[in-house]
Amino acid sequence: KQEVTQIPAALSVPEGENLVLNCSFTDSAIYNLQWFRQDPGKGLTSLLLIQSSQREQTSGRLNASLDKSSGRSTLYIAASQPGDSATYLCAVNNAGNMLTFGGGTRLMVKP
Amino acid sequence: GAVVSQHPSRVICKSGTSVKIECRSLDFQATTMFWYRQFPKQSLMLMATSNEGSKATYEQGVEKDKFLINHASLTLSTLTVTSAHPEDSSFYICSARRNNEKLFFGSGTQLSVL
Repeated sequence: KQEVTQIPAALSVPEGENLVLNCSFTDSAIYNLQWFRQDPGKGLTSLLLIQSSQREQTSGRLNASLDKSSGRSTLYIAASQPGDSATYLCAVNNAGNMLTFGGGTRLMVKP
Repeated sequence: GAVVSQHPSRVICKSGTSVKIECRSLDFQATTMFWYRQFPKQSLMLMATSNEGSKATYEQGVEKDKFLINHASLTLSTLTVTSAHPEDSSFYICSARRNNEKLFFGSGTQLSVL
């Protein structure tokens, strides 16, 4: 059974800092991995999708990497802003087309 | 981009009543839709996979008679929480898959059962 772990569970940084969120998974036979953002009481916003054959994806200040063999992904946020404050979730898509979510990292960027 | 509409966004009901949540793919046909549940400070957990025209597949521990899922068309799936109890209070999110692309998520429904 796939297990997804995110570290740290919570993170507080000053505005402007670069930061890295970590995601690890136990079963490397994945179809893809996706990073989401969740604002309190709201749904999910998809940030980046990395196919199993890819090593990284970039969108604006966000960069996600994937090392399938070691079961790890990182989400790099450059020059963080208060508007980046949210919970960030990684989710792994196994061959059964079902997502397994990590517990999330609650990010607070202080002005 | 693809849009998934989920309604209602928030519902408060009395214990014992049933609540229906709708999930619509507005600009694409979704042969598969997924329903997730999220308790406070916990991650999303898959409840069931809904395939158009067939019975939903429920995850272990999810009561299919309590959480009725109907996927009668390629653009609509509904989740009905029957005889809701306070422990069913949670955040419910649907998602829809367009072909084999990434999932698109609804905005979620916060259910509070008094």
